[in-house]
Amino acid sequence: DAMVIQNPRYQVTQFGKPVTLSCSQTLNHNVMYWYQQKSSQAPKLLFHYYDKDFNNEADTPDNFQSRRPNTSFCFLDIRSPGLGDAAMYLCATSQRSGTGTDTQYFGPGTRLTVL
Amino acid sequence: GDSVTQMEGPVTLSEEAFLTINCTYTATGYPSLFWYVQYPGEGLQLLLKATKADDKGSNKGFEATYRKETTSFHLEKGSVQVSDSAVYFCALITLARQLTFGSGTQLTVLP
Repeated sequence: DAMVIQNPRYQVTQFGKPVTLSCSQTLNHNVMYWYQQKSSQAPKLLFHYYDKDFNNEADTPDNFQSRRPNTSFCFLDIRSPGLGDAAMYLCATSQRSGTGTDTQYFGPGTRLTVL
Repeated sequence: GDSVTQMEGPVTLSEEAFLTINCTYTATGYPSLFWYVQYPGEGLQLLLKATKADDKGSNKGFEATYRKETTSFHLEKGSVQVSDSAVYFCALITLARQLTFGSGTQLTVLP
């Protein structure tokens, strides 16, 4: 089955220690997204890639960066995690079409704990 | 801007009860509407969607109809099961391509 895969499912890091979360997809979609979800809240968009074009949300902290080396993979780098960065991180993909109302498909998420 | 208002939770029902979770929206243009479900510790799964007025999305016994006149997309299920316990998010997307979520509704179904 075509899908969105996130690794690892659970990540523990120390305060200030860089961490990388990964996402891969077999849907061959041209857009990949990273969301942050804190407990009992809706997901918050951090950034997205449309092919190789990177789009950062205005309120995404500088501490968060992303890489998309090819169509299938996208990485979220947190340079110096703080306690406030503990959250579920969700990757999603969509195929951009002319209508603009593209369906997003989500991965299972990575739960990040910062000690 | 675009917004989605969802019924406040948590909602607790007995097994086989009828479920309605209300969702209304404000958007420019003609959005596509979605319901996502999130089981504990998991990511979001697309439950159903509708892309134009009067469309009915359905999946796994859940249904929602895109009502343009009332700007609503209420989620219904005739007989809930314990396994339906999850958080349900109503969402929309417009030509701006940003997915706008409601605040989520926690559903607990008791045996």
